[in-house]
Amino acid sequence: QKEVEQNSGPLSVPEGAIASLNCTYSDRGSQSFFWYRQYSGKSPELIMFIYSNGDKEDGRFTAQLNKASQYVSLLIRDSQPSDSATYLCAVPFSSNTGKLIFGQGTTLQVKP
Amino acid sequence: ETGVTQTPRHLVMGMTNKKSLKCEQHLGHNAMYWYKQSAKKPLELMFVYNFKEQTENNSVPSRFSPECPNSSHLFLHLHTLQPEDSALYLCASSQDRGGNEQYFGPGTRLTVT
Repeated sequence: QKEVEQNSGPLSVPEGAIASLNCTYSDRGSQSFFWYRQYSGKSPELIMFIYSNGDKEDGRFTAQLNKASQYVSLLIRDSQPSDSATYLCAVPFSSNTGKLIFGQGTTLQVKP
Repeated sequence: ETGVTQTPRHLVMGMTNKKSLKCEQHLGHNAMYWYKQSAKKPLELMFVYNFKEQTENNSVPSRFSPECPNSSHLFLHLHTLQPEDSALYLCASSQDRGGNEQYFGPGTRLTVT
């Protein structure tokens, strides 16, 4: 059974701090990884994806991938109250099927 | 707006009703998906369509019947649902099955009474 694990939180950080969200996955063969943000009552929004080991930066967001340790992280710099949401990690079940396995999500609260 | 629209946004139906959910994508994608999101549970994939053909059915009960007439439209026909089917139903699309960058519509909040 392929699994994606996230700490459900809530993770609470003060405004302006760095928020660190972590995700571990069970399938060592996974090649791509996705982070979605979901505001309460809304649908998931794709914010980052990463395919290669190392870091990928996009504005205040950095995705970090460590395939050897089977974890992927999302760092949010200069956190804002508008970043308060649930962050979902997703990993393909296998290549070329379109099946994504989602973690349960981590709820982030950014306190002003 | 992601380019994926869903109607209706909210639906209340009795267990004996028949209703349909509609999804349309304006992204030129070839793969479309139905997901179910229940409270306290991870997103669950229900169906995958690629170039109008169903390629995945994730052991979904037959009271949910998908239809994909073309690559831009996806329907989910509902009949004799149970209260535990109440959830947020999300449609998504991607360039193809292999791309995996999936973009979600706003969802339909379904309540079965």
